[in-house]
Amino acid sequence: QKEVEQNSGPLSVPEGAIASLNCTYSDRGSQSFFWYRQYSGKSPELIMSIYSNGDKEDGRFTAQLNKASQYVSLLIRDSQPSDSATYLCAVNPNTGNQFYFGTGTSLTVIP
Amino acid sequence: DAGVIQSPRHEVTEMGQEVTLRCKPISGHDYLFWYRQTMMRGLELLIYFNNNVPIDDSGMPEDRFSAKMPNASFSTLKIQPSEPRDSAVYFCASRTEVQETQYFGPGTRLLVL
Repeated sequence: QKEVEQNSGPLSVPEGAIASLNCTYSDRGSQSFFWYRQYSGKSPELIMSIYSNGDKEDGRFTAQLNKASQYVSLLIRDSQPSDSATYLCAVNPNTGNQFYFGTGTSLTVIP
Repeated sequence: DAGVIQSPRHEVTEMGQEVTLRCKPISGHDYLFWYRQTMMRGLELLIYFNNNVPIDDSGMPEDRFSAKMPNASFSTLKIQPSEPRDSAVYFCASRTEVQETQYFGPGTRLLVL
């Protein structure tokens, strides 16, 4: 079983809609969770981090964490074509200083 | 800050040749990570250093791969001999001691023919 699982997609949403990206993880002791965005041919860049159960909002982005169910999600409101990218979920299992990354979900926002 | 710097950005080589990838972390960062990204396997951690010391190299696929960090501002990842299955994008990332966020370099796109 992989440490971090994501649906590979592709996920397509119309411009202005809400995009919902999901991630599950296997290590129940994990404490730190991150969402990275990766444009085609570019490197991953951090969008948000979340450490506590509940929601964390930053502009059009909301990260949601549920440790009991071992999932973390990312909502993108008012999706824009510029949001089209692959979104990577990363988890720090707290057993070291490394992240485990999911394989990413490809998002396409259709104008 | 210039961010994480990697060189070369692209490398095309023939099977059996030695390949050396280079990374300069962000100044003041204590951790350095080497990742490999492929379509099939996603982003995989190869090795990471803390204060120039290798901490976990369990992700290094085989003895053909080696990594060094001779000082706080420079690291290399070497593949010798290279094979076609090593073709991938190799990323270097760094972070501070207190902040978990990793900052990625632009990557090196390696193609082994």
